[in-house]
Amino acid sequence: QVQLKETGPDLVQLTQTLSITCTVSGFSLTTYNVHWVRQPPGKGLEWMGAMWNGGGTDYNSAFKSRLSISRDTSKSQVFLKMNSLQTDDTAKYFCASLMYTTDYHYFDYWGQGVMVTVSS
Amino acid sequence: DIQMTQSPASLSASLGETVTIECRASEDIYNGLAWYQQKPGKSPQLLIYNANSLHTGVPSRFSGSGSGTQYSLKINSLQSEDVASYFCQQYYNYPPYTFGAGTKLELK
Repeated sequence: QVQLKETGPDLVQLTQTLSITCTVSGFSLTTYNVHWVRQPPGKGLEWMGAMWNGGGTDYNSAFKSRLSISRDTSKSQVFLKMNSLQTDDTAKYFCASLMYTTDYHYFDYWGQGVMVTVSS
Repeated sequence: DIQMTQSPASLSASLGETVTIECRASEDIYNGLAWYQQKPGKSPQLLIYNANSLHTGVPSRFSGSGSGTQYSLKINSLQSEDVASYFCQQYYNYPPYTFGAGTKLELK
């Protein structure tokens, strides 16, 4: 059964770097695509970036060059790293698998998310 | 980037009522649209993809329609378990994938 689980800090200091790990089970990272989506408290969803099954990445330009996504296929883990954190980066961070075909893409499985607060 | 404008932001309805949520894209997205339901404290769950295809296991009281830039999600015969926030998401033109701001559905 497909599962994704995020692990990371509850609290990050202003201007510091956020590191979150998404550990997946029930599928291979060489078969499924894993994306990152965040949600500030009481607000909507924002797509951050992707780790494609072939190892390529895509990023939301809103995060400019401060976001990095990588993976370790042997450990079934995808990593998010974002630097220069500000208070408006306070959010719940989700990893999700993307079902991708030529006709449709949708996020079919989600982790439970990790709530990260950026504190000054 | 394609902007998704969702309305209304919040909605109050009675049990058994029919509810409609709208989503407008800033350009034609050729039915490349999904709808998600998110209950408080939980992760989003897929309801609809390709604008009108019901995801496996989703009750048939949910339906999606639309074309071009205008799309809607309809919930027939509202149930108490439908209290949630609903988000649209376009995947026609990416990156980035973009979401609507959400609609919070409450019981009257």
